Amino acid sequence: AQSVAQPEDQVNVAEGNPLTVKCTYSVSGNPYLFWYVQYPNRGLQFLLKYITGDNLVKGSYGFEAEFNKSQTSFHLKKPSALVSDSALYFCAVREVGNAGKSTFGDGTTLTVKP
Amino acid sequence: DAGVTQSPTHLIKTRGQQVTLRCSPKSGHDTVSWYQQALGQGPQFIFQYYEEEERQRGNFPDRFSGHQFPNYSSELNVNALLLGDSALYLCASSSTGEETQYFGPGTRLLVL
Repeated sequence: AQSVAQPEDQVNVAEGNPLTVKCTYSVSGNPYLFWYVQYPNRGLQFLLKYITGDNLVKGSYGFEAEFNKSQTSFHLKKPSALVSDSALYFCAVREVGNAGKSTFGDGTTLTVKP
Repeated sequence: DAGVTQSPTHLIKTRGQQVTLRCSPKSGHDTVSWYQQALGQGPQFIFQYYEEEERQRGNFPDRFSGHQFPNYSSELNVNALLLGDSALYLCASSSTGEETQYFGPGTRLLVL
């Protein structure tokens, strides 16, 4: 079985400050990990993924995420937040070798204030 | 290069009716997955189609069925609609050996 937890429903940061959106996961084997962003009344937009290799993954729009196997975490980060980063963020996991189902967290709403 | 497209964008049905949602995958993609996103929740996996066969299924009743065509496009059918089926239905496509799924804009279904 696989599962994802996003412990914060809401994250508020000031523009220009660093942001972190937390994600922890559980899988039986090794994970593929993903971050997606969703704007109101829109589908999910891919940000970045961890497949293998370097634990620090860089993605779109200046976002990055760090894979930590011992803590089973994959937190999303950005050094300097923009107001336009305000959106709903989803973490997802899929077990390596499982070509089908991805399991998503319930999402974290990020609000960046000017 | 068109991304994943879905139709219709919005749909209103009444309880007991049947609905068909459509998805065209991103060019070059051969795998289509369907997800249900209820308000305030993350997407829930319904099923995945590959080579015109259902490859994997989530915890959804048999009222939810699908199809994949030779051109890789897909349909999601829901019979005997319930109020609880009201949600955003998302289609995601990927290609064999590619781990990333790319999502369409979704179809918002309202069941009255």
